[in-house]
Amino acid sequence: KAGVTQTPRYLIKTRGQQVTLSCSPISGHRSVSWYQQTPGQGLQFLFEYFSETQRNKGNFPGRFSGRQFSNSRSEMNVSTLELGDSALYLCASRGTSTGELFFGEGSRLTVL
Amino acid sequence: GQQLNQSPQSMFIQEGEDVSMNCTSSSIFNTWLWYKQDPGEGPVLLIALYKAGELTSNGRLTAQFGITRKDSFLNISASIPSDVGIYFCAGQGSGGSNYKLTFGKGTLLTVNP
Repeated sequence: KAGVTQTPRYLIKTRGQQVTLSCSPISGHRSVSWYQQTPGQGLQFLFEYFSETQRNKGNFPGRFSGRQFSNSRSEMNVSTLELGDSALYLCASRGTSTGELFFGEGSRLTVL
Repeated sequence: GQQLNQSPQSMFIQEGEDVSMNCTSSSIFNTWLWYKQDPGEGPVLLIALYKAGELTSNGRLTAQFGITRKDSFLNISASIPSDVGIYFCAGQGSGGSNYKLTFGKGTLLTVNP
């Protein structure tokens, strides 16, 4: 069974640009969550989607947005990039609301 | 909101030693999960706990769901160099916005061969 797949793995952007990250969950999983990981802040919850609906949202500015498609694939977008947005962005999926969360390898974003 | 305190922040041990780390919460959780993250990779699930008092093992790893439902412990026996990494605990409440997991800040484990 294929795991959670995230693309791209690495990317470099400059301030003011926008970025879109993609996540394909484990087959059959309908819940997709996104996390931002930085050395100082640890894993910070961005949002969770379930059946194309945002179910939970963390405390991030409106520049961070996401969506989920009918095939459960998800994208997150960050607009007007800032230096502080440099981080590892992790996507995770699970089969049920209370099930175990499985992570992808992450997308490493560097903002210059 | 829910907060998780994970300790210790880091540990430096000799190969063969046992390791213990724990997480405490300000609120009750229904699920505790323990993850390990290697550099540049995503966290990998080690152990999942669903009942208060539950003790579960995965090879040399043992984790327990505290009776109060506000804490959990992870023990690693006879550590080896490949145990190096960051260990995270995560807890989940029940219903509504509590479906999201709350993560501890991690324990960085270094094993000296």
